[in-house]
Amino acid sequence: DAGITQSPRHKVTETGTPVTLRCHQTENHRYMYWYRQDPGHGLRLIHYSYGVKDTDKGEVSDGYSVSRSKTEDFLLTLESATSSQTSVYFCAIKGAGPVAFFGQGTRLTVV
Amino acid sequence: AQSVSQHNHHVILSEAASLELGCNYSYGGTVNLFWYVQYPGQHLQLLLKYFSGDPLVKGIKGFEAEFIKSKFSFNLRKPSVQWSDTAEYFCAVNPVNNNDMRFGAGTRLTVKP
Repeated sequence: DAGITQSPRHKVTETGTPVTLRCHQTENHRYMYWYRQDPGHGLRLIHYSYGVKDTDKGEVSDGYSVSRSKTEDFLLTLESATSSQTSVYFCAIKGAGPVAFFGQGTRLTVV
Repeated sequence: AQSVSQHNHHVILSEAASLELGCNYSYGGTVNLFWYVQYPGQHLQLLLKYFSGDPLVKGIKGFEAEFIKSKFSFNLRKPSVQWSDTAEYFCAVNPVNNNDMRFGAGTRLTVKP
């Protein structure tokens, strides 16, 4: 595995509450990504970062925010969780080359 | 924005059958292409990649893929599948001039013993 840790691995939360997922890397890679995986949709890009404090939106960014204050950590926040955000969330990292490596995933259930 | 299409949602094969999974993308520029595999309950792992050069690339576990630029395709093949190939397979595209990476919806492969 490429030195990526996602936390928590599983979470159940209530509708309307804020939730933060963490992605931590030990590879010092510049690029970090958050995807959500849903049946029939594959992986969809939520946000990505190309450096400390440098982030950009992906294709499904509504309802999500991110922060990257350190190279090694990329946080994904659901500002007010909804049932439609129940999903499996994957973090990925990429260095100078184009290959991305994925974390183990976080299963989030919003009830 | 670029998109990636995987035409087969679920493929069921018997062991030793040949496999071909389709992938097409819609991006006019130069791209890097990938196939990732996700075994049940696990994260995505790189199966193979194409950056440039020989359009026929070989990956792990006997998989190969062919890049056909004129068709915007990057199909995955394996001559003889095994039960252990049961997994979900994702095609991904990364335009060379940016760091966005987009995935197809995935194809679930079930191999019957």
